[in-house]
Amino acid sequence: EIVLTQSPGTLSLSPGERATLSCRTSQHLSRSFLAWYQQKPGQAPRLLVYAAVSRATGIPDRFSGGGSGTDFTLTISRLEPEDSALYYCQHYESSPFRVTFGPGTKVDIK
Amino acid sequence: EVRLLESGGDLVQPGGSLRLSCAASGFSINNYPMTWVRQTPGGGLQWVSTITATGTTYYADSVKGRFTISRDLSKNTLLLQMNSLRAEDTAIYYCAKRGFLDLTYYFDYWGQGSMVTVSS
Repeated sequence: EIVLTQSPGTLSLSPGERATLSCRTSQHLSRSFLAWYQQKPGQAPRLLVYAAVSRATGIPDRFSGGGSGTDFTLTISRLEPEDSALYYCQHYESSPFRVTFGPGTKVDIK
Repeated sequence: EVRLLESGGDLVQPGGSLRLSCAASGFSINNYPMTWVRQTPGGGLQWVSTITATGTTYYADSVKGRFTISRDLSKNTLLLQMNSLRAEDTAIYYCAKRGFLDLTYYFDYWGQGSMVTVSS
């Protein structure tokens, strides 16, 4: 079973700064199988990036995904106050079928 | 416009049963894999179950043998029958639609969630 580790646990930054969130996997992954979500309090998760680097429809271009192998990143290039949220990475395995979420990174905008 | 609306969450005693529904609009659930994901009080997201477009079902080990995912295609509704409920099943249950990219699973639309509390 592939384990996802996200770091840091919490990121506290100012508006306009750059945030880099890490998702490390216990085994090598295909880029196709890695996605990122944003979740605000009281809301459902929202898809940001799929296939590691593809931005979902309607997502601002300040959000970008990268990485390969066992190290993946979500970068928010210029933080805005509304980016305060929890961010989760998610992986899919086909055999056996399994979907796994990372524990999340909390982004606080000071 | 794609919409997912869950219902059926409630307070139930340990050992009890509950059925969740997820009414879909804006697309046909017959054409996409559909998934239940839950979020525990501690905040973590857990995959629960998936049903593919062809009807193949998959379950997390923690719910296998107790939960059953199914579809009512006449109502374009996803279902989750939950039996032998335990305190650790307490969570917000979300239904989610898989994205358009084949051969992988990510979720481009989510419902608003339905709260299930298992407690005596």
